[in-house]
Amino acid sequence: AQSVSQHNHHVILSEAASLELGCNYSYGGTVNLFWYVQYPGQHLQLLLKYFSGDPLVKGIKGFEAEFIKSKFSFNLRKPSVQWSDTAEYFCAVNAPGSWGKFQFGAGTQVVVTP
Amino acid sequence: DAGVIQSPRHEVTEMGQEVTLRCKPISGHDYLFWYRQTMMRGLELLIYFNNNVPIDDSGMPEDRFSAKMPNASFSTLKIQPSEPRDSAVYFCASTNQETQYFGPGTRLLVL
Repeated sequence: AQSVSQHNHHVILSEAASLELGCNYSYGGTVNLFWYVQYPGQHLQLLLKYFSGDPLVKGIKGFEAEFIKSKFSFNLRKPSVQWSDTAEYFCAVNAPGSWGKFQFGAGTQVVVTP
Repeated sequence: DAGVIQSPRHEVTEMGQEVTLRCKPISGHDYLFWYRQTMMRGLELLIYFNNNVPIDDSGMPEDRFSAKMPNASFSTLKIQPSEPRDSAVYFCASTNQETQYFGPGTRLLVL
């Protein structure tokens, strides 16, 4: 069965600091990978996704993620965070041909202090 | 497109009452998902449909929960009878076989 592990449950950092959130998955086959963001009181919104091709994926709001197949990882990064990046971030995995089986990580709560 | 639409956005009810949550997926999406989110348990997949047919309901907590999708543009999640531990945010999501799009959620409080 697929599983998704997010390394940190809570991250606190100051504005302008760099952010990296870890995500590892366990699935032997080809997967599609996603990062979603949930701002306080809102629903999950897609930040970026990887299906194939260039393993460095750029998303909205300055976020990017790198797929490293050998490490089964899909870490999210942002070079300089803003207070408005305070949110919960979810990594998700899905296998082509099994579209219903989106597997979400437990989420990482990120707090950016002014 | 208006995105995934859910109603009501907020629901407060008393224990023992029936609660019905509604969802309208994005037109053309053939998968629909119901999730529950709580602080304690995080995001949980309850059930999902493909072309209006329930595919996996293993996440439905117990028989008090039921979900239907009578047509491609409408789904309901029903809790009968409701209990305080059902208090949560319930999200509906739909997918075009590539990406899941979430609705705004229904915040349910069972007193």
